[in-house]
Amino acid sequence: AQSVTQLDSQVPVFEEAPVELRCNYSSSVSVYLFWYVQYPNQGLQLLLKYLSGSTLVESINGFEAEFNKSQTSFHLRKPSVHISDTAEYFCAVKAAGNKLTFGGGTRVLVKP
Amino acid sequence: DVKVTQSSRYLVKRTGEKVFLECVQDMDHENMFWYRQDPGLGLRLIYFSYDVKMKEKGDIPEGYSVSREKKERFSLILESASTNQTSMYLCASSPPGGGAGREQFFGPGTRLTVL
Repeated sequence: AQSVTQLDSQVPVFEEAPVELRCNYSSSVSVYLFWYVQYPNQGLQLLLKYLSGSTLVESINGFEAEFNKSQTSFHLRKPSVHISDTAEYFCAVKAAGNKLTFGGGTRVLVKP
Repeated sequence: DVKVTQSSRYLVKRTGEKVFLECVQDMDHENMFWYRQDPGLGLRLIYFSYDVKMKEKGDIPEGYSVSREKKERFSLILESASTNQTSMYLCASSPPGGGAGREQFFGPGTRLTVL
């Protein structure tokens, strides 16, 4: 079975500052890794995913995440945040089959 | 665009009531899922279905059942609602053909309060 730990439940950050959201997972088999974002009063949307190949993956709105197999991590970063990035972010892993296992979520509050 | 809709955004029920949460997707997805979302716990899988009339238990199925009579519709049923089932419920679907990299598409959620 897989498990996912998001080390920070809340991250306050000033606008235009960088942010890093940490995600560690445990699994005895190879996994696929995802970051989802949930804006206030909305469902989850896929932000980015790692399936294979380059360990650095990017989203269209400036986020990036790096898969580190030796450290079993998939941290999410953005060099300069906007007010509109205020949301909750979920890291998730999937092994074989269709089941996703989610972390507890990290609330990002961007302050002006 | 894939659309996953849920019948209610907010629902208030009383302890012991039978509760139906409905989810409909419009993209002919084979796989559908029900999660509950609680602060600090993330999303936990209640049940999922990979075909009409097929269902499998997720991580926390106790106190819930599901129904999938048509491909586009997946219902979550609380046979006798209890206060510890107060939560946000999220439905999701994913494209046919399986594959571990397939994205799940989420509905907006139903916030259920059981009094």
